[in-house]
Amino acid sequence: GENVEQHPSTLSVQEGDSAVIKCTYSDSASNYFPWYKQELGKGPQLIIDIRSNVGEKKDQRIAVTLNKTAKHFSLHITETQPEDSAVYFCAAVNNAGNMLTFGGGTRLMVKP
Amino acid sequence: DAGVTQSPTHLIKTRGQQVTLRCSPKSGHDTVSWYQQALGQGPQFIFQYYEEEERQRGNFPDRFSGHQFPNYSSELNVNALLLGDSALYLCASSFPDGGSEKLFFGSGTQLSVL
Repeated sequence: GENVEQHPSTLSVQEGDSAVIKCTYSDSASNYFPWYKQELGKGPQLIIDIRSNVGEKKDQRIAVTLNKTAKHFSLHITETQPEDSAVYFCAAVNNAGNMLTFGGGTRLMVKP
Repeated sequence: DAGVTQSPTHLIKTRGQQVTLRCSPKSGHDTVSWYQQALGQGPQFIFQYYEEEERQRGNFPDRFSGHQFPNYSSELNVNALLLGDSALYLCASSFPDGGSEKLFFGSGTQLSVL
């Protein structure tokens, strides 16, 4: 089955700096890669996603890149703000679109 | 428009007991998935329901079972609870667009097994 590895497990940045979180996946058949943000006491919230036929996608301060050949994808957050502090999860979805396989999560701390 | 709602928010059980968790999907969604999230880890897929049937199942024992009702709401049942079942149980719903991969999660039910 699919295996998703995520790094780093914790990331501390100064407000205004950029943050990058990286993930690798094992199943070349995976074709959809969402990123979720989870705040304390809440469920994961979808923040951006990318399909395998696209190399990059951007939404304001957030961008995701995908390298299908290397089977890795990354989340980039620019101009970080304290409210960006949360746990971020990457995930990969199989062809049937029925099951998300999540990475282990990255705890992002943005210091004012 | 209410999002995905789950009940109860917290639950304490003892080993060997049985538990039922409930989920109402986001309006317009017909597919419900359940995930288990242990402390400090990513969510793990339990199963998915569509048209009142289990469509796919993750690597969980038969003690975990579910049901989907005609109104698309769903229940997760866990029998013979073990200490290791302590976790946050997340319900997610998705659009009936064939792909069903864009999931919207509820806030979860925190289950503690003593």
